Parts: sequence; C-alpha cells; structure tokens
Amino acid sequence: DVKVTQSSRYLVKRTGEKVFLECVQDMDHENMFWYRQDPGLGLRLIYFSYDVKMKEKGDIPEGYSVSREKKERFSLILESASTNQTSMYLCASSSPGLTYEQYFGPGTRLTVT
Amino acid sequence: QQQVKQSPQSLIVQKGGISIINCAYENTAFDYFPWYQQFPGKGPALLIAIRPDVSEKKEGRFTISFNKSAKQFSLHIMDSQPGDSATYFCAASTPGNQFYFGTGTSLTVIP
Repeated sequence: DVKVTQSSRYLVKRTGEKVFLECVQDMDHENMFWYRQDPGLGLRLIYFSYDVKMKEKGDIPEGYSVSREKKERFSLILESASTNQTSMYLCASSSPGLTYEQYFGPGTRLTVT
Repeated sequence: QQQVKQSPQSLIVQKGGISIINCAYENTAFDYFPWYQQFPGKGPALLIAIRPDVSEKKEGRFTISFNKSAKQFSLHIMDSQPGDSATYFCAASTPGNQFYFGTGTSLTVIP
C-alpha cells in the first residue's frame, strides 16, 4: 500500500526557531513535493525535487529551504520560523509517467507563536 | 496569480442531489487535470482525473466534464451522500508534473 509519512502531526514552535519537517515515502518515487495549505488559498507549492540532491523552487519558497539526501526522504526547513508560517504542511510524492498522480501524507499542522 | 480558479468556495447539497464544482485555467500547457478529495485530518487523495484529449470521464458517481476550448472543467457528484462531505480540490499539471491547485470547495451533504 502506498505510503507517505510525515514526522509530526502537530508542532508548536517559537518565533525565530529553526524547524525541520520530515517526509518519507516508501514507493521509490523520484518526485517529491512540499506544499502549504491555508484556508481560501488552497495548496501552494513551496519546493519540489525530481531526484536526490536536486531541488526546485515552487511558488512560495521564501523563508524555506529543503534537503533531499536520500530518495525516500525530503525535508522542509524553516530557517527562522515566523508567525506567518503557521499553516498545514503537506508532503507528496509521485513517479514520472503517464499517471502523474501525487500521493499525499497526512500533513503537519505547524503553529508558530 | 491563481493559475486554477475554483468555485464555489462552499456547497450544501441534499442527500441524493447532484454536486457540481467548477474550475477554470489559462495555461494551455496543462495536460492533466485531477480532482482531489480531502477529509478533515487527512491529506488529499486522488478522486478522478482527466487528460485534455477526452471531454468526459466517469467513475461510479463521479464525473469530470472537460471543455478544452473554454479552458474549464468540472466535477459532478451524482446521488450525493453524507459520506461525500469533504473538501474538493481541482488541479492542473504541467508535463513536468508541477501541480497548480484550486482554492478548494467545502461540500456538505445533508441527510
């Protein structure tokens, strides 16, 4: 069964802290994605990666960075958390090919106080 | 700017009725149009998807209608059930698998 797991379901951090969100997929997918989900704004792409050590900026990369050292793991890093980064963060993975389907993790709800 | 525009923001339908959610896009390079369903506390899950070479795709009670010339597509849920109550997102993908999502529609089906 397809599985994307995220390290935490809920996280509370203070302003200025460095925050790591981890995502692991067990489907041997090449592509991995980080989105943030906010009411009324839908899902917005932060960063994505097509291969190990590769990364591409999405629509809203400011204040974030990513790391992909292994194929199955994609990390999102908030270098200095701010209150406007309070959101739901969703990780997804996919494999290049005809289906294009992205498989999502359950999400991490991050609150920055 | 929003690459995929979705409406309505919320929808209330009686059990047994038809739910219709609409999306529009501008980028003609999009070549894959999925609909995702999301229940509270869960990540989105693929519901149904279509490519622009067909005008309609049906899976059970769910149908996508696609109008390439108008750059619009819609999700129809026939015989809507309370278990269909969820948030629905349309999306459009480039050939590079970069997705652009609509803003979501919260569907409530009342018994």
